[in-house]
Amino acid sequence: EPEVTQTPSHQVTQMGQEVILRCVPISNHLYFYWYRQILGQKVEFLVSFYNNEISEKSEIFDDQFSVERPDGSNFTLKIRSTKLEDSAMYFCASRTDSEKLFFGSGTQLSVL
Amino acid sequence: TQLLEQSPQFLSIQEGENLTVYCNSSSVFSSLQWYRQEPGEGPVLLVTVVTGGEVKKLKRLTFQFGDARKDSSLHITAAQPGDTGLYLCAGPGSSNTGKLIFGQGTTLQVKP
Repeated sequence: EPEVTQTPSHQVTQMGQEVILRCVPISNHLYFYWYRQILGQKVEFLVSFYNNEISEKSEIFDDQFSVERPDGSNFTLKIRSTKLEDSAMYFCASRTDSEKLFFGSGTQLSVL
Repeated sequence: TQLLEQSPQFLSIQEGENLTVYCNSSSVFSSLQWYRQEPGEGPVLLVTVVTGGEVKKLKRLTFQFGDARKDSSLHITAAQPGDTGLYLCAGPGSSNTGKLIFGQGTTLQVKP
């Protein structure tokens, strides 16, 4: 079955450093999302992306965050200057026109 | 603000027992979804319920959507160790971007 692929599975970074989390959504999907899950807390929506632009973003998704779909296959989340509180599991997800959302296995980001 | 509250947060039972997990909101949702998440993996969609009062069955799992579309339940009959995991309910946000709002999850442990 096709799947959403995320790399790396774990990322350790120093506070203030930039990180890029990478995702390859399922090839015929049109809608792309990033969610995050801080340990012991809810899965939280960060951003949705459709037709090469952000369609919605949450309050969490401030100026330090950006997304790109540079080449029609990758979908990246960049955090410009990481903070301790950015430590979380970040999930990429994609879907077609249907409501069924497919999640990747996540990238565990640890900010030291 | 749309919120989904799940109960219980933790459940530890013996193999063969039945259990019910609840997902409640003060808001009406057009649909609700149930996901299962295993450690180190992303959520995987189990079912979507869309009609008030709807009941869907997936082998030993029975999902119900409340008549008023504000709540849902997941009932597992004769639980097995393989059912162990985190169960999440989620509903669409009020925008039309496909954003999902998640409950905080129910961690189920089924002991052999």
